[in-house]
Amino acid sequence: NAGVTQTPKFQVLKTGQSMTLQCAQDMNHEYMSWYRQDPGMGLRLIHYSVGAGITDQGEVPNGYNVSRSTTEDFPLRLLSAAPSQTSVYFCASSYLQGRDGYTFGSGTRLTVV
Amino acid sequence: AQTVTQSQPEMSVQEAETVTLSCTYDTSENNYYLFWYKQPPSRQMILVIRQEAYKQQNATENRFSVNFQKAAKSFSLKISDSQLGDTAMYFCAFMKPWGGSQGNLIFGKGTKLSVKP
Repeated sequence: NAGVTQTPKFQVLKTGQSMTLQCAQDMNHEYMSWYRQDPGMGLRLIHYSVGAGITDQGEVPNGYNVSRSTTEDFPLRLLSAAPSQTSVYFCASSYLQGRDGYTFGSGTRLTVV
Repeated sequence: AQTVTQSQPEMSVQEAETVTLSCTYDTSENNYYLFWYKQPPSRQMILVIRQEAYKQQNATENRFSVNFQKAAKSFSLKISDSQLGDTAMYFCAFMKPWGGSQGNLIFGKGTKLSVKP
């Protein structure tokens, strides 16, 4: 089915470990983004991309890296995991005009111990 | 910078009744989009309804409707004939038409709605 695919759905990391959250979409959307959701905080933007080779920072980028080598994929890298990065992470995509809102992946629950 | 405020952290409603969720936003822009997203316990983010600021007519999707007051910068969601499946977190979100970072969705902190039998 068309949509945004995120993997893994759950992950436990030890402090200092690194990992990559995967995100892929098959709708030919130009725009892709990563949000984190924390209790009482809503969703906050980490990084976003408006096309292959183009990325930019959002509201809470520290500790995360992204790259966009293809239109379909937008992985999020945690370089050295910290307990403050315990959260639920969502990948989202849309056409650039954005008027139809975003399509979201099913989320990744990450726990850093 | 734009902000979105949802002043009701939690609400409850009896099945079959009507409930209204509040949302206000702050912007100096004249053209923008507003959205309500639903997040059930499954965690999936589901678009409920959208409104374009230049349209005066309030958007409606089945049992869901909005009251969009542009001058007051208010965008409330009304759920009629509430059903148990409406139990979820609801997020209000704001977006300017695309142009660099200004095109990103800005979310409120959410309202947790419980529908009681």
